[in-house]
Amino acid sequence: RKEVEQDPGPFNVPEGATVAFNCTYSNSASQSFFWYRQDCRKEPKLLMSVYSSGNEDGRFTAQLNRASQYISLLIRDSKLSDSATYLCGEPDSWGKLQFGAGTQVVVTP
Amino acid sequence: GAGVSQSPSNKVTEKGKDVELRCDPISGHTALYWYRQSLGQGLEFLIYFQGNSAPDKSGLPSDRFSAERTGGSVSTLTIQRTQQEDSAVYLCASSPGANEQFFGPGTRLTVL
Repeated sequence: RKEVEQDPGPFNVPEGATVAFNCTYSNSASQSFFWYRQDCRKEPKLLMSVYSSGNEDGRFTAQLNRASQYISLLIRDSKLSDSATYLCGEPDSWGKLQFGAGTQVVVTP
Repeated sequence: GAGVSQSPSNKVTEKGKDVELRCDPISGHTALYWYRQSLGQGLEFLIYFQGNSAPDKSGLPSDRFSAERTGGSVSTLTIQRTQQEDSAVYLCASSPGANEQFFGPGTRLTVL
């Protein structure tokens, strides 16, 4: 079983709608998680860090469910520019950040 | 700039040749990672350096791949006797510790 798992999608979202997707993790002791976005042929860029129950930054909300060992990312009022692959990262027991394979989001006009 | 830099940005080589890819991490970051990403695929972990500890080489796909980090700063990833399946984007990232990583723009390697 992979340490970090994500639904690959694609999630096709009408512009203005809300989309949410999850990332499951296996290290129950993890204290921090990270969401990155990666545009086509670009490097991943940090979107949000999650250190406690969740985090919110504008239209983006991350929530942590420790009991079920997953974090979610919710995007409200989707913009065309939100189209990207969203990667979830979790440090392992030695501090090495591990990534899921990513969830593709496609926002359509 | 203060970000992670990588060179070259693109590298085209012939099968069987050796290549060296360079990464300059953010100053002061103790952790440095190398990843490989094929088109449309996720990040494939290659190697991890943390401070003065022995590197975690568990992701290197074969003994043709090696990496070093000199003086706790610049890192070089070397691929010997390149094969066509080595063609990918090689990404470097640095981190101040067990925290968020900051990625460089990558080196696109094409093996003919």
